[in-house]
Amino acid sequence: DVKVTQSSRYLVKRTGEKVFLECVQDMDHENMFWYRQDPGLGLRLIYFSYDVKMKEKGDIPEGYSVSREKKERFSLILESASTNQTSMYLCASSLAAGGTDTQYFGPGTRLTVL
Amino acid sequence: SQKIEQNSEALNIQEGKTATLTCNYTNYSPAYLQWYRQDPGRGPVFLLLIRENEKEKRKERLKVTFDTTLKQSLFHITASQPADSATYLCALDATGFQKLVFGTGTRLLVSP
Repeated sequence: DVKVTQSSRYLVKRTGEKVFLECVQDMDHENMFWYRQDPGLGLRLIYFSYDVKMKEKGDIPEGYSVSREKKERFSLILESASTNQTSMYLCASSLAAGGTDTQYFGPGTRLTVL
Repeated sequence: SQKIEQNSEALNIQEGKTATLTCNYTNYSPAYLQWYRQDPGRGPVFLLLIRENEKEKRKERLKVTFDTTLKQSLFHITASQPADSATYLCALDATGFQKLVFGTGTRLLVSP
């Protein structure tokens, strides 16, 4: 079974802090994704990566950056956290092109910015 | 504009009945469509995938249909159980780089 783990289930930070969210997958997947999920807005793609050191902006990249130094690990960075970044953050992975893009999700990190 | 629409109102049904959830899309031409289940406070879990050339797909008590003319997918759970209570998301492939676009989900509540 594919396993995607996220570093924290719950996180509370203060406005202006730098926040790191870590995601690790164990199935040698090429693609990794970061979403945020808010009530009524569904899953919105922040950034994704299709290879080590490669990254692509999703639909809402503002205020976020990412890092993928190793294939299994994809980090989401909030450079200066703001209250409007309070949300559920979900990481996912999928196989490379030619597959069906089925995504495997981690358990999520509920981030609260005070 | 491109849209994926799922009924935002919760669907309440009685145990044993068939639940039918709808996913409509506009201005997409997906090669396939997927359904996921999400429990509160958890990440979505993949359930079923149906390709554009398939009319229907089944897995145990689950059935998915895909009508590319109507631009609609229906997701059925037969003999529903309280344990089926969750939010169900549809997703389709967007152009480029293996991205999926998700609907906002429909919450299903199955009463004993």
